[in-house]
Amino acid sequence: AQSVSQHNHHVILSEAASLELGCNYSYGGTVNLFWYVQYPGQHLQLLLKYFSGDPLVKGIKGFEAEFIKSKFSFNLRKPSVQWSDTAEYFCAVSSPGNTGKLIFGQGTTLQVKP
Amino acid sequence: GAGVSQSPSNKVTEKGKDVELRCDPISGHTALYWYRQSLGQGLEFLIYFQGNSAPDKSGLPSDRFSAERTGGSVSTLTIQRTQQEDSAVYLCASSQQRGSNGYTFGSGTRLTVV
Repeated sequence: AQSVSQHNHHVILSEAASLELGCNYSYGGTVNLFWYVQYPGQHLQLLLKYFSGDPLVKGIKGFEAEFIKSKFSFNLRKPSVQWSDTAEYFCAVSSPGNTGKLIFGQGTTLQVKP
Repeated sequence: GAGVSQSPSNKVTEKGKDVELRCDPISGHTALYWYRQSLGQGLEFLIYFQGNSAPDKSGLPSDRFSAERTGGSVSTLTIQRTQQEDSAVYLCASSQQRGSNGYTFGSGTRLTVV
């Protein structure tokens, strides 16, 4: 069965620090990969997604993620975080051709100190 | 509508009572998903609808859980004889097709069983 692992459960950074959140998945076939964000009191929003092509994908608000197939990883990065990036971040995977069901990681809470 | 609408936003119920949670997807979205977000558990898939049929209900945790969708639009998730472990945020999401392109989430219903 597919599973998604996010290694960092709680990350605390100061503004302007660089961010990298780890995400690994277990599935041998072709996958679609996603990062969702949930700001305090708001609903889940799509940050970025990877289907195929360039393994470096750029999303909203300066976020990017790199798909490394050999490592089954899809880490999220941002060069310089802002206080407004404080949120919970979820990595997710779905397998093309299935129902579109997403398997989510446990989430990483990011706290950015001003 | 402009987004996925869920009601009620909060529900407190006594153990053993039945509850109904409603999801109004984005107009024209044929795929609809229910997820559950429990404290420390991440997001857990419950059921997927394509139109009015549910080809994947593998995530429903027990036979106390059921869901239906009518008119290819509104969906209702019903939990019978609620238990304390049912306390969670129940999220609904919809997409134009099977959702592998990522989907739009509602704000969720926070269910508390006392």
